[in-house]
Amino acid sequence: AQKVTQAQTEISVVEKEDVTLDCVYETRDTTYYLFWYKQPPSGELVFLIRRNSFDEQNEISGRYSWNFQKSTSSFNFTITASQVVDSAVYFCALSEANTGNQFYFGTGTSLTVIP
Amino acid sequence: DAGITQSPRHKVTETGTPVTLRCHQTENHRYMYWYRQDPGHGLRLIHYSYGVKDTDKGEVSDGYSVSRSKTEDFLLTLESATSSQTSVYFCAIRNADSLNQPQHFGDGTRLSIL
Repeated sequence: AQKVTQAQTEISVVEKEDVTLDCVYETRDTTYYLFWYKQPPSGELVFLIRRNSFDEQNEISGRYSWNFQKSTSSFNFTITASQVVDSAVYFCALSEANTGNQFYFGTGTSLTVIP
Repeated sequence: DAGITQSPRHKVTETGTPVTLRCHQTENHRYMYWYRQDPGHGLRLIHYSYGVKDTDKGEVSDGYSVSRSKTEDFLLTLESATSSQTSVYFCAIRNADSLNQPQHFGDGTRLSIL
């Protein structure tokens, strides 16, 4: 079974619109870690944020914000006032304390911001 | 940026030939990983290493082998390449000090098997 589900395969928005990328995870561990990565058209994978399972406080970094909700097993990523430079594939990932060596990645959401 | 170098960056080869990809790190991190990225599948783990000469299989390990004789180098070998192994391969490293550490990725190797 997929441990991390990113149901949105592709999203297109017009510049300056807000957009939310969904991430739903599945784990039986009580301690786990969630991550978001960005892969721009140039191909490299860039780490964006990490969240621990015991810290449900949402986080904002500039135009980026992350909403972690254990009740719905979701770790969603919102980009406010999107820009063309936000066009990329975004991956959500899960690491469990009991299998800390491995990361489980979602299949990614391709975001296109249209000027 | 994390000091990770993948080589080669691009390679085209023929079915049946052996191929070795190299991942070199300058961070002295304990954990190293090899992934492949294919459309519709995201990143899939091939093999990983948790120390020198300590490796384990990932989700898609068939047809691949790895070796880690030094902390800084993690090699991925396709003993007899097949067209289904055409993909983009990423190496990643992770600091073992804490479980909440992210993986950091190399720039990838684009491999085409004709």
